[in-house]
Amino acid sequence: DAKTTQPNSMESNEEEPVHLPCNHSTISGTDYIHWYRQLPSQGPEYVIHGLTSNVNNRMASLAIAEDRKSSTLILHRATLRDAAVYYCILSQNAGNMLTFGGGTRLMVKP
Amino acid sequence: GAVVSQHPSWVICKSGTSVKIECRSLDFQATTMFWYRQFPKQSLMLMATSNEGSKATYEQGVEKDKFLINHASLTLSTLTVTSAHPEDSSFYICSAGHSYEQYFGPGTRLTVT
Repeated sequence: DAKTTQPNSMESNEEEPVHLPCNHSTISGTDYIHWYRQLPSQGPEYVIHGLTSNVNNRMASLAIAEDRKSSTLILHRATLRDAAVYYCILSQNAGNMLTFGGGTRLMVKP
Repeated sequence: GAVVSQHPSWVICKSGTSVKIECRSLDFQATTMFWYRQFPKQSLMLMATSNEGSKATYEQGVEKDKFLINHASLTLSTLTVTSAHPEDSSFYICSAGHSYEQYFGPGTRLTVT
């Protein structure tokens, strides 16, 4: 699977939007972009995924660059419960194992 | 959504003993499950792929005789850490794919004393 690059950590204020970037310059045409997050002492949970078009769901939005070499996870209003490590992962098949990079640790300040 | 459970959620064992961790898909069938290990402040590392009815596939550097995996049914995979040592202390997490998502268990924290 192609590699992704994310900032180690980011800070946000509660109730404000958060934009979490991910670079994946070696993405292949069949790679989906997946985002998972891991709250402290828990297993990861699915956030969102996309291929080419921007995606929205109840948790977040995913903005994908036109050349697909980068993407941004958008949390529209950060809450304290959103404090977690966010992982951007490329995979051709969600049924397959996921390769986790370092992720971005998001800290939310009240 | 689909749910994956793990049991136990935490376990403390003495060095040299074996520990079994169960991973169950509660409302869907999973022919394939994955086992990960996570050390403090590190990311998840895939240990092995568990295949129902056949042998598990282990990642490079993971000893198959030490980490025994059994996937006897479509809803249950077990990981047995044999002859555990303090360096095996870690957070073990399983996952299974369903639809377009991977569903992860809540993890099992193993402490070997």
